[in-house]
Amino acid sequence: AAGVIQSPRHLIKEKRETATLKCYPIPRHDTVYWYQQGPGQDPQFLISFYEKMQSDKGSIPDRFSAQQFSDYHSELNMSSLELGDSALYFCASSLELNRASGYNEQFFGPGTRLTVL
Amino acid sequence: DAKTTQPPSMDCAEGRAANLPCNHSTISGNEYVYWYRQIHSQGPQYIIHGLKNNETNEMASLIITEDRKSSTLILPHATLRDTAVYYCIVRILTDSWGKLQFGAGTQVVVTP
Repeated sequence: AAGVIQSPRHLIKEKRETATLKCYPIPRHDTVYWYQQGPGQDPQFLISFYEKMQSDKGSIPDRFSAQQFSDYHSELNMSSLELGDSALYFCASSLELNRASGYNEQFFGPGTRLTVL
Repeated sequence: DAKTTQPPSMDCAEGRAANLPCNHSTISGNEYVYWYRQIHSQGPQYIIHGLKNNETNEMASLIITEDRKSSTLILPHATLRDTAVYYCIVRILTDSWGKLQFGAGTQVVVTP
């Protein structure tokens, strides 16, 4: 079965540079989520999009922006990179909530490991 | 969303059942209990969810107490591949489900 695709898988940048991470959700999924996981930390929610509109926002720095395109893929743009941005970045996708069962499973991609030097 | 409390770590022998507790004493009536796990550096993986009743699927069973203030995830026959961090997450049923709020999960180590 198709899974969430993230690219690149690894990225090395210098301080103050910019980075763009891409996420391709599972076909027919309408919601995309971005999470950041620092070394030894738990994943932290950044932002989500439902049908190409921002649906929720977490602790995403102002230096970061994201969007979801007409083909439902999403990009996370990160500018003025700092050492503290080094982390695993996960994208997840899901279908809209099934209210009858309360079922909403987020399917995670393999992540992009960003290293800022 | 309600906060959850889990033990930081747990060891389990291969082939035995692993019982992972989670306390969510402030859970409200419209909040579901979800369990995810994360195998080292991989993306988190959905395991199971429930509201009031006990649930079972091919991966695990979820036992929710009658007052819903705590729950237990049961891995019936743990294997080495079940070594992971397990997260108990309480989620509210709203128009937009939004984020998963990962707290400090339980590091489960399955030993031969």
